[in-house]
Amino acid sequence: AQKVTQAQTEISVVEKEDVTLDCVYETRDTTYYLFWYKQPPSGELVFLIRRNSFDEQNEISGRYSWNFQKSTSSFNFTITASQVVDSAVYFCALSRNNAGNMLTFGGGTRLMVKP
Amino acid sequence: NAGVMQNPRHLVRRRGQEARLRCSPMKGHSHVYWYRQLPEEGLKFMVYLQKENIIDESGMPKERFSAEFPKEGPSILRIQQVVRGDSAAYFCASSPVGHQGYTFGSGTRLTVV
Repeated sequence: AQKVTQAQTEISVVEKEDVTLDCVYETRDTTYYLFWYKQPPSGELVFLIRRNSFDEQNEISGRYSWNFQKSTSSFNFTITASQVVDSAVYFCALSRNNAGNMLTFGGGTRLMVKP
Repeated sequence: NAGVMQNPRHLVRRRGQEARLRCSPMKGHSHVYWYRQLPEEGLKFMVYLQKENIIDESGMPKERFSAEFPKEGPSILRIQQVVRGDSAAYFCASSPVGHQGYTFGSGTRLTVV
């Protein structure tokens, strides 16, 4: 069975602070995919990143960066110099490497960035 | 190139009525997925369909819920005799064949009163 845990249910920071959202996963598969999605107050789901389990390189995209540590089964997400527009619920998700593509989501972390 | 289209955006039903949620996948996408998000929770997989086939419905409640993806037209998630506990956001996603990860629609927010 697969499981994704986002232990931080809610984080509050002041604008321009850096913030890291934690994601820990469990799977018996050797090949899998990890994702992060953003859900702003408007409710839609915005895709942020997909990472293959064989690719452990960290990734940076503007103010966003992701740290994939296979040894600790973690895929953490850092926002540098946070902005009010970053306020949203962020979901980490895991899928198996099969044609099914079903995603197992974590419970989400609500990030509030205050001006 | 429109994304995944879901309608209606908001749906209010009285207890005992039927709810029909529609999802039009992205052009060229033949796989459709439905997820449910209960208030203050993450998304839970419900069903995976290809055209005219249900591939995996392991996340669907055994009663009152059904889904289809006909040869022509949108995918439909149908909830019969709705109850208050069905109130949730229902998201549809689509993907092309063999692709990992997919595009979500904006969701349908069902409220049962």
